[in-house]
Amino acid sequence: SAVISQKPSRDICQRGTSLTIQCQVDSQVTMMFWYRQQPGQSLTLIATANQGSEATYESGFVIDKFPISRPNLTFSTLTVSNMSPEDSSIYLCSVVVDRVNTEAFFGQGTRLTVV
Amino acid sequence: AQKVTQAQTEISVVEKEDVTLDCVYETRDTTYYLFWYKQPPSGELVFLIRRNSFDEQNEISGRYSWNFQKSTSSFNFTITASQVVDSAVYFCALSEAGDMRFGAGTRLTVKP
Repeated sequence: SAVISQKPSRDICQRGTSLTIQCQVDSQVTMMFWYRQQPGQSLTLIATANQGSEATYESGFVIDKFPISRPNLTFSTLTVSNMSPEDSSIYLCSVVVDRVNTEAFFGQGTRLTVV
Repeated sequence: AQKVTQAQTEISVVEKEDVTLDCVYETRDTTYYLFWYKQPPSGELVFLIRRNSFDEQNEISGRYSWNFQKSTSSFNFTITASQVVDSAVYFCALSEAGDMRFGAGTRLTVKP
């Protein structure tokens, strides 16, 4: 299993600013992902965080808006840049420990409100 | 392309009724995993079950049971003798390589 610490748990931000969300795992994991859950909606994959290289973004998400870092096998950050009220969502970090046992573990999420 | 469809947006039942949540998926891969998650009003995602594509055996866990049918690409979830605490949004999800595609979710309300 994997224990994920995601920070901050919630924040209220002014439009036009940026927020960086951290995801720390208690063990090395193969894969890390970032998801967004807009109010009343399902979870949508933003990107796969690749260790040591650029993240792989899903359609509709771009690096300039959601820069992602993954410097090692236990840590990743997601930045929400130049925020607008439409970015108000829950952002979740997810990890897969290894490619054989592909069970996904989720962080508690970051509840972001942009005013 | 991967796709998960949960056609039931909202379901309301009275306590002790049985309820089935439908999930239909699309994938081109022969190896994949299917999941169900519960999201109570508090917001956290609660893992319920994972099933790989080679294991079509149905599973029962207490009041929960899952029916996986590859022939119809369905992975339905039944709650027997529902309780008020079962009220939540339930998500079905599909994964081929770790990244997950979620259905739209079904909001279940269990009334006392």
